[in-house]
Amino acid sequence: QSVLTQPPSVSGAPGQRVTISCTGSSSNIGAGYDVHWYQQLPGTAPKLLIYDNNNRPSGVPDRFSGSKSGTSASLAITGLQAEDEADYYCQSYDSSLSGSVFGGGTKLTVL
Amino acid sequence: QVQLVESGGGVVQPGRSLRLSCAASGFTFSTYAMYWVRQAPGKGLEWVAIISYGESNKYYADSVKGRFTISRDNSKNTLYLQMISLRAEDTAVYYCAREPQFGYYYMDVWGKGTTVTVSS
Repeated sequence: QSVLTQPPSVSGAPGQRVTISCTGSSSNIGAGYDVHWYQQLPGTAPKLLIYDNNNRPSGVPDRFSGSKSGTSASLAITGLQAEDEADYYCQSYDSSLSGSVFGGGTKLTVL
Repeated sequence: QVQLVESGGGVVQPGRSLRLSCAASGFTFSTYAMYWVRQAPGKGLEWVAIISYGESNKYYADSVKGRFTISRDNSKNTLYLQMISLRAEDTAVYYCAREPQFGYYYMDVWGKGTTVTVSS
């Protein structure tokens, strides 16, 4: 059972918009800790996609965006492309565990 | 370019020990906090440990506390994870990752990982 809760899977057709939710609690997201998102393409290492809720590292397309409100956060992907098919993980810090916590991951399927 | 390369993985019997290494290049290793993160087969990511740039601060996930030790040698640009009393549930790909600044709580650079299999 992951500390942060994500839907196991989402899907969308090319060109569509999808969102992935990440729900935490008062000891992590709700405590004000930032949320970060990672993309893991099949058979590869995770890659930082969004940091500090809504910031993109250099090289990440602006089709990817993040938001945070209360004890939850979301990742939005617009203009869905076949190469976006991957697992997506949210991550934050948890004060009661004194460490980083991840969501269980969401598998994005591009139909 | 910025790079992290893990090594030291393999097949080990339950109860035995293993030491993982992570060689860093392309950046000033001694000024960054570093993580170990693992991923069991078919499962999600799990934070394992973090060490500050000067080795004064170390934190562990409850699942490995008392069995794993994170350390670093800044003169060799290398991060380590000493694992003892290994269990079947420690089977995973182990990634090392960089924190852009201590206390920022995220990982901006990842290695490709090394596989640890605990099995008799």
